[in-house]
Amino acid sequence: EAGVAQSPRYKIIEKRQSVAFWCNPISGHATLYWYQQILGQGPKLLIQFQNNGVVDDSQLPKDRFSAERLKGVDSTLKIQPAKLEDSAVYLCASSTWTEKETQYFGPGTRLLVL
Amino acid sequence: GQQLNQSPQSMFIQEGEDVSMNCTSSSIFNTWLWYKQDPGEGPVLLIALYKAGELTSNGRLTAQFGITRKDSFLNISASIPSDVGIYFCAGHFGTASKLTFGTGTRLQVML
Repeated sequence: EAGVAQSPRYKIIEKRQSVAFWCNPISGHATLYWYQQILGQGPKLLIQFQNNGVVDDSQLPKDRFSAERLKGVDSTLKIQPAKLEDSAVYLCASSTWTEKETQYFGPGTRLLVL
Repeated sequence: GQQLNQSPQSMFIQEGEDVSMNCTSSSIFNTWLWYKQDPGEGPVLLIALYKAGELTSNGRLTAQFGITRKDSFLNISASIPSDVGIYFCAGHFGTASKLTFGTGTRLQVML
């Protein structure tokens, strides 16, 4: 079974630029999550989708971050404009609807904002 | 928000030693999960716990869901070099499906 795919793996941008990350969850997983992991910390949930609807985006900085999952499968997370403090690893995870407690993570996208 | 405190923050151990780490919270959690994260990778689920008092093993790993539902521990027996990494506890509280992660325990194994 293929795991959660993410791209790109690394991205370096300058502050005030825009960036987008892509995630393809495990086939059949209805729930998709985006996490931000700052160096030395545990992952923090940014947004959770159930199919193509948002379940929880309470910790998403909506003035600069946006995410979509238009067809209920893959998803994109965008930052516009980026700030220095956005430097982090952005992790995508997915789970089935019935087993939401067991989330499977992708390898992450490491973002460096200069 | 909810916080999960892990201890120790980091540890150096000799290959073959047993390892113990724990995770505590000021709130009651409904599930406890333990993940391992290798450098440059996402966290990988090791053990999931669903009931207070539950003790579950996965190979050399054993984890328990505390009776008070506010803590959990993870033991690794006979450590080997590939056990190196960061171990995170995580859990769900209330009715939320959102995972709250701990601060992590960095494990380094000396040959």
